[in-house]
Amino acid sequence: QSALTQPASVSGSPGQSITISCTGTSSDVGGYNYVSWYQQHPGKAPKLMIYEVSNRPSGVSNRFSGSKSGNTASLTISGLQAEDEADYYCSSYTSSSTRVFGTGTKVTVL
Amino acid sequence: EVQLVESGGGLVQPGGSLRLSCAASGFTFSSYWMHWVRQAPGKGLVWVSRINSDGSSTSYADSVKGRFTISRDNAKNTLYLQMNSLRAEDTAVYYCAGGLDYWGQGTLVTVSS
Repeated sequence: QSALTQPASVSGSPGQSITISCTGTSSDVGGYNYVSWYQQHPGKAPKLMIYEVSNRPSGVSNRFSGSKSGNTASLTISGLQAEDEADYYCSSYTSSSTRVFGTGTKVTVL
Repeated sequence: EVQLVESGGGLVQPGGSLRLSCAASGFTFSSYWMHWVRQAPGKGLVWVSRINSDGSSTSYADSVKGRFTISRDNAKNTLYLQMNSLRAEDTAVYYCAGGLDYWGQGTLVTVSS
């Protein structure tokens, strides 16, 4: 199972919006609405930010939103803040009843 | 408060074995599918294995199939990962995750001679 494809890095100024893409295939992202997004700060465990494509867990800021079109899912962070600087990973259920993560995206707040 | 606490990591020689444990509390462990995810130093997250809520179904990444075994004890609220025939490329922080919603802090496994 190959990793989902994410851009290596995305940057933006405080207050701006950025979007991170996550591209898979019809056997994972495109075939199921089980795409999740995780935020990971250095040395810390991943934190769930979005589940089932577009749902936010309790306690996650509404500045984070998710969507999907075809084989590509996206995470948008609006009103970018310094605390959003972290690594972000997407994940999808697969047709093999496994999970696959994305390659990861480093978000930099300029 | 949800807590997942991994243990059992350490330094092991190539070809050796380790058993990781993950103690869960603060949620209904027996209702959750559980996962192991690893992260090599400076690298991304990689899914390793999962087990369904009653332990009757498991799944593995191709890279560990036949070498790693996931199991659980719902009476003890504990998840396990038996790792055999370890290789240098298995060196990573291993996280347990409840439904991939709740995550532990990880335990470091280093495979080196």
